[in-house]
Amino acid sequence: KNEVEQSPQNLTAQEGEFITINCSYSVGISALHWLQQHPGGGIVSLFMLSSGKKKHGRLIATINIQEKHSSLHITASHPRDSAVYICAAAEGGGSQGNLIFGKGTKLSVKP
Amino acid sequence: ETGVTQSPTHLIKTRGQQVTLRCSSQSGHNTVSWYQQALGQGPQFIFQYYREEENGRGNFPPRFSGLQFPNYSSELNVNALELDDSALYLCASSLGRGGAVTDTQYFGPGTRLTVL
Repeated sequence: KNEVEQSPQNLTAQEGEFITINCSYSVGISALHWLQQHPGGGIVSLFMLSSGKKKHGRLIATINIQEKHSSLHITASHPRDSAVYICAAAEGGGSQGNLIFGKGTKLSVKP
Repeated sequence: ETGVTQSPTHLIKTRGQQVTLRCSSQSGHNTVSWYQQALGQGPQFIFQYYREEENGRGNFPPRFSGLQFPNYSSELNVNALELDDSALYLCASSLGRGGAVTDTQYFGPGTRLTVL
């Protein structure tokens, strides 16, 4: 059974700070997703990656397959980045895949 | 906006009742997955449908069942509701049969179910 763990659980930052959220998983996976969940529940997909690094605006996601570890970085954080960030491991073979979620990291960015 | 809608937004039921939750996927998305998110927890996989057939199931009892229709809509049905079924129910659609292994997931806003 794949366990997905995130750290920290809660994170408070000042506007402008560089933020790192970590995710580790216990067994091999096919892809790793980073998601953002705002109060009220809606989830938005930020990244899907299976190797290396991806960048979108101020967000950067990296994954190390050998170490079973991924990180999400936010540069120049802003109060609008406040949300719960969830990493989710994609399991399954080529014809079926579902997500195993971490519990999320609640980020609060203060002005 | 992900283009995925869910209805209703909120729902209150009593123990033992049955409930149907609905999801409308993006046009062309052949895979839909349903997840249950209890308060303060990450979502848990319920099941996945690909082109109207079940294509994987998580650790949920048979009283959780689903349907997917040709018009890219789907349903989650829960019979004999229990108090622990109170949660946010999320659907996510994606393009191909590989689901989250191969494709970006587009989530709906969720239905919050309260069982009294």
